[in-house]
Amino acid sequence: EAGVTQFPSHSVIEKGQTVTLRCDPISGHDNLYWYRRVMGKEIKFLLHFVKESKQDESGMPNNRFLAERTGGTYSTLKVQPAELEDSGVYFCASSQDLWAGNTIYFGEGSWLTVV
Amino acid sequence: KNQVEQSPQSLIILEGKNCTLQCNYTVSPFSNLRWYKQDTGRGPVSLTIMTFSENTKSNGRYTATLDADTKQSSLHITASQLSDSASYICVVSGSYSGNTPLVFGKGTRLSVIA
Repeated sequence: EAGVTQFPSHSVIEKGQTVTLRCDPISGHDNLYWYRRVMGKEIKFLLHFVKESKQDESGMPNNRFLAERTGGTYSTLKVQPAELEDSGVYFCASSQDLWAGNTIYFGEGSWLTVV
Repeated sequence: KNQVEQSPQSLIILEGKNCTLQCNYTVSPFSNLRWYKQDTGRGPVSLTIMTFSENTKSNGRYTATLDADTKQSSLHITASQLSDSASYICVVSGSYSGNTPLVFGKGTRLSVIA
């Protein structure tokens, strides 16, 4: 079974440019999450999709970040325009349902560097 | 404020030795506590999940404990191996729904040396 896959694995862009990160969750997982870790900090929640609907987007830092999950399959996270403080690792995760004992599977992350 | 604090920040042990990592949390409401292992440059991989009613859970050489009254957890690694070198992250779910959002600690960086 394929795990959570993310693309690109690494990206270097200039301040002001746009970057789009993609996440393919494990097949059949309705719940998809985006998290990120900026330098020296802990991993923090960005948002949660249930199928194509945004269940919780309380962690999105500002309106430069836009997440979509059209059709309830893969998701994209677009940063436009990128700022220096957006540099970090963006993790996508998925789970089958919201049961407390359910495993949440993480992807390998998309490493974003804004210069 | 929902927080997860881990100690020590880093740890070096000899191969074959045991170690215990600590986690204290102030997350409320509490649904479950998870330990993840994260190798350098990789994504976190789940080790254990404990709900409110569970106070111990094992996964091979990894044993996690949970005291929901004192809001403390520990991860004990037995007979460490070189491949155990990684960051170990304590993660708490602060939601009645069970899974989201997760509150992460900063992790303990474990180095196992020969």
